[in-house]
Amino acid sequence: GAVVSQHPSRVICKSGTSVKIECRSLDFQATTMFWYRQFPKQSLMLMATSNEGSKATYEQGVEKDKFLINHASLTLSTLTVTSAHPEDSSFYICSASFQGISYEQYFGPGTRLTVT
Amino acid sequence: QQQVKQSPQSLIVQKGGISIINCAYENTAFDYFPWYQQFPGKGPALLIAIRPDVSEKKEGRFTISFNKSAKQFSLHIMDSQPGDSATYFCAASRISSGSARQLTFGSGTQLTVLP
Repeated sequence: GAVVSQHPSRVICKSGTSVKIECRSLDFQATTMFWYRQFPKQSLMLMATSNEGSKATYEQGVEKDKFLINHASLTLSTLTVTSAHPEDSSFYICSASFQGISYEQYFGPGTRLTVT
Repeated sequence: QQQVKQSPQSLIVQKGGISIINCAYENTAFDYFPWYQQFPGKGPALLIAIRPDVSEKKEGRFTISFNKSAKQFSLHIMDSQPGDSATYFCAASRISSGSARQLTFGSGTQLTVLP
């Protein structure tokens, strides 16, 4: 149980375009979803926390207008990178948790974004 | 106060040896300490976790030792195997504003187990 999927696994887009990444909890209802960013050989950096049906809470230094997060249902959250630039190229990982039952965050397999 | 310090940055051990990775934290609000294993191009996967009311937890070849007074915890991998070669992250969890639990990750340890 506790499977989280991400789509797509890899995406290449041109500078200036927008790209959407989906994160789904497949076998549980995720009241909270998290989005992380990971650069090569570095740790995971939390970008934002989203609760179903409410606005995401962004970490300091993360541009909310550039990284749009929507958590419209208990099984789906999306991250849209708007007007992407090469410096946005990174590995984006989502995780999901169900408050009240588990301390755990269940991580997706990640999405490799390359902006050319 | 939010940092989790992890060492070493990289570790090379022989097959069958013991791998030891150490972490330290400052914020006493942290109350749950998981370890994650990450292979290249994949998301992190939970390996083992401990709460501060326990000093040691063992699952198979993996053991967490926890020292609450020193605010330190470590991962021991016994009988290390080449398949254990991966990046290991310690993390610390706490309730943040809005009642969501947040993880703070260590910087990671690249483990290489030689055959």
